Amino acid sequence: AQSVTQPDIHITVSEGASLELRCNYSYGATPYLFWYVQSPGQGLQLLLKYFSGDTLVQGIKGFEAEFKRSQSSFNLRKPSVHWSDAAEYFCAVGNTDKLIFGTGTRLQVFP
Amino acid sequence: NAGVTQTPKFRILKIGQSMTLQCTQDMNHNYMYWYRQDPGMGLKLIYYSVGAGITDKGEVPNGYNVSRSTTEDFPLRLELAAPSQTSVYFCASTPSGENIQYFGAGTRLSVL
Repeated sequence: AQSVTQPDIHITVSEGASLELRCNYSYGATPYLFWYVQSPGQGLQLLLKYFSGDTLVQGIKGFEAEFKRSQSSFNLRKPSVHWSDAAEYFCAVGNTDKLIFGTGTRLQVFP
Repeated sequence: NAGVTQTPKFRILKIGQSMTLQCTQDMNHNYMYWYRQDPGMGLKLIYYSVGAGITDKGEVPNGYNVSRSTTEDFPLRLELAAPSQTSVYFCASTPSGENIQYFGAGTRLSVL
């Protein structure tokens, strides 16, 4: 079955600390992979995507993610978190028609 | 460029009432989607459309209906509102061949 697992429901970090959000997937073929961010009361905004090629992809707001086929993972990273990064982050996998979303990780940032 | 526009932003319904959630996109995208978002559950696909006149069920279609008479509009209809339909609803669209979904700001619906 196709699925996306985000094992961390809630993460708290201090401003300036590094961040890694985990995402594991189960998918029949090589999927398209995405990270979206949702600020409170807002819709989802694309952070970055992986379709093929270089397994380390750069996104907006200083985020990056690494596709590891052997681990079926697509973890999101940021070297130094800003207070404005506090939001909910969703990993998604899919194809040309549909996406499957994970349950999300809520990031809290302390000053 | 307005992107994906959803109306209304908030709505309270009584059990058994009906309503239509509106979604319009001005990007000439072929693909459009309706999701519901419940706390701790992520986004679940309700219905989607690959073009005008074509719709298909997603993961949780029961209690909803859709139509796609134009490329721009993809309304979601609730015929007999139930408390289980209390949720935040998101509409999204994708251009052919791009695989990136663009989301509206959402409609928060409460059924009491």
